[in-house]
Amino acid sequence: EAGVAQSPRYKIIEKRQSVAFWCNPISGHATLYWYQQILGQGPKLLIQFQNNGVVDDSQLPKDRFSAERLKGVDSTLKIQPAKLEDSAVYLCASSPSGNTEAFFGQGTRLTVV
Amino acid sequence: SQQGEEDPQALSIQEGENATMNCSYKTSINNLQWYRQNSGRGLVHLILIRSNEREKHSGRLRVTLDTSKKSSSLLITASRAADTASYFCATDHNDYKLSFGAGTTVTVRA
Repeated sequence: EAGVAQSPRYKIIEKRQSVAFWCNPISGHATLYWYQQILGQGPKLLIQFQNNGVVDDSQLPKDRFSAERLKGVDSTLKIQPAKLEDSAVYLCASSPSGNTEAFFGQGTRLTVV
Repeated sequence: SQQGEEDPQALSIQEGENATMNCSYKTSINNLQWYRQNSGRGLVHLILIRSNEREKHSGRLRVTLDTSKKSSSLLITASRAADTASYFCATDHNDYKLSFGAGTTVTVRA
């Protein structure tokens, strides 16, 4: 079974530029999560989708971050414009439903300079 | 917001010893999960324990859950160098959000 795919693995951008991350969850998984993990901290939930609907985006900085899940499958997370404090690893995860184990991708390491 | 809080923040043990880490949370849960993260990699699911369960085992891992104290513990027995990683508890509350703590960094010395 293929795992959660994320791209790119690494990205370096200048502040005020925009960036987009892509996630392909495990086939058939209804729930998709985007987490932000700053070095030395635990993952922080940014947004959770159930199929193509948003379950929770209370911690998503909506003035600069946006996310969508296309046809309830792939998802993209965008930051525009980026700030220095956005430097982190962005993790995508999926699960069959909202109350079971989550499967994580390898993450995208973003550095904003 | 992050619900689970792990304790200790860091742990260093000798190969072959046991490692125990704890997780406390604030509000009632549907289930509690433990994950491992090796440096620079994604998280790997270890064990899920539901709110009506008290103990679960998986290989060298043992997880306990005390809902009256809102706490859980993860025990790794007979540790190996490959167990060196960060360990996170994640709480699934009735809203199905999965919230992670700050983690415990475990170093196993050869």
